Amino acid sequence: EVHLVESGGGLVQPGESLRLSCAASGFTFSSYWMSWVRQAPGKGLEWVANTKQDGSEKYYMDSVKGRFTISRDNTKNSLSLEMNSLRAEDTGVYYCARDVGPNTLDFWGQGTLVTVSS
Amino acid sequence: DIQMTQSPSSLSASVGDSVTITCRASQSISTYLNWYQQKPGKAPQLLMYLTSSLQSWVPSRFSGSGSGTDFTLTISSLQPEDFATYFCQQGYTTPGTFGQGTELEIK
Repeated sequence: EVHLVESGGGLVQPGESLRLSCAASGFTFSSYWMSWVRQAPGKGLEWVANTKQDGSEKYYMDSVKGRFTISRDNTKNSLSLEMNSLRAEDTGVYYCARDVGPNTLDFWGQGTLVTVSS
Repeated sequence: DIQMTQSPSSLSASVGDSVTITCRASQSISTYLNWYQQKPGKAPQLLMYLTSSLQSWVPSRFSGSGSGTDFTLTISSLQPEDFATYFCQQGYTTPGTFGQGTELEIK
């Protein structure tokens, strides 16, 4: 059974950093693109970033380019999102999701809440 | 980026009704259109991909159609478990942008 479990969320002040992790199990992690999607409180879904199977390609939404870094460790079946220079508008639940292509997200974690507030 | 626009934003219906949700892309996306269902406090679930292909858990009362820029999700004979928020998403290019969502409520 596919399982994705996010961790690392919390309350931070504007300008601070946070690292999210996603532990994957139940499938061959290294065979899939992986994505991060976020959802501000009471709002819709927003695609954030994704990475190719071997990590050689990474893509980001415009508003996080240069601030967020997606990475993966296929030896540990783990996906990460390093978030720097956080802003209030980055607040939301962050989901990791398996991407079966193209941009089709067939399994999602339960999400981890990031709150950016002073 | 491709913009995705859903209508309506919210919809009230009764058990047994048939409803249709529309999704429009700002440019052609062929049939690279996905639908997700999200219930309160839960993660989204992939409902349908490539416009009309149902995930294995999805009952046949759900159907999808369209191509190019205009797409629809139809739910016939609504059941209590269908009341949720539905999002469309284009898979044609990265970023895979989502529609703003349609909240389907019980009348």
